[in-house]
Amino acid sequence: NAGVTQTPKFRILKIGQSMTLQCAQDMNHNYMYWYRQDPGMGLKLIYYSVGAGITDKGEVPNGYNVSRSTTEDFPLRLELAAPSQTSVYFCASSRRGDRGGSTNEKLFFGSGTQLSVL
Amino acid sequence: AQTVTQSQPEMSVQEAETVTLSCTYDTSESDYYLFWYKQPPSRQMILVIRQEAYKQQNATENRFSVNFQKAAKSFSLKISDSQLGDAAMYFCAYRRMLGTSGTYKYIFGTGTRLKVLA
Repeated sequence: NAGVTQTPKFRILKIGQSMTLQCAQDMNHNYMYWYRQDPGMGLKLIYYSVGAGITDKGEVPNGYNVSRSTTEDFPLRLELAAPSQTSVYFCASSRRGDRGGSTNEKLFFGSGTQLSVL
Repeated sequence: AQTVTQSQPEMSVQEAETVTLSCTYDTSESDYYLFWYKQPPSRQMILVIRQEAYKQQNATENRFSVNFQKAAKSFSLKISDSQLGDAAMYFCAYRRMLGTSGTYKYIFGTGTRLKVLA
């Protein structure tokens, strides 16, 4: 099982460049998330999606955009890279669940993308 | 707003000994999930253990167990018989449902780095 696949694993950008972080899951999960992890900090939610065609902002959405055209894919776009966006980015997914049906409830994470903006 | 606090940036434990990592959270909700995730140097996020708030019984997974004190909003992780492979960052996380839409979010603490001494 591939699970959640993120590409690339590492990337260096110059200020003002743009790029797309790719994320794909093969578990037919409804929910997908993008987090960033800064040194010494926990994970901050950037954007999330509850299904194809539906996205919403998290805690730190400024400077990012997302789309969800299919259940499998949830790319994260940086339009004008800034040094403040230097971070490790994680994509995650989960089943839709509630108290009755989520005995396997958990987030499945990708392996992360280390992004440096210089 | 919901917050998750891990007050121990770093902990050390002797191999084969027991260690407890602390986590407190703030919420006005009554129905939620709590999680502990492990992040080794590989950066991969791995679910360690999960607790459903409506269950009074503390969750256990082999050498890992929790002490869930709902009234005190405390969710500590106990690792017994510590092994060198337990060395990692440990994140406490809280998940809550948003209304009746089925949408939910995860909030992470800032992490505790666990060192295991041979």
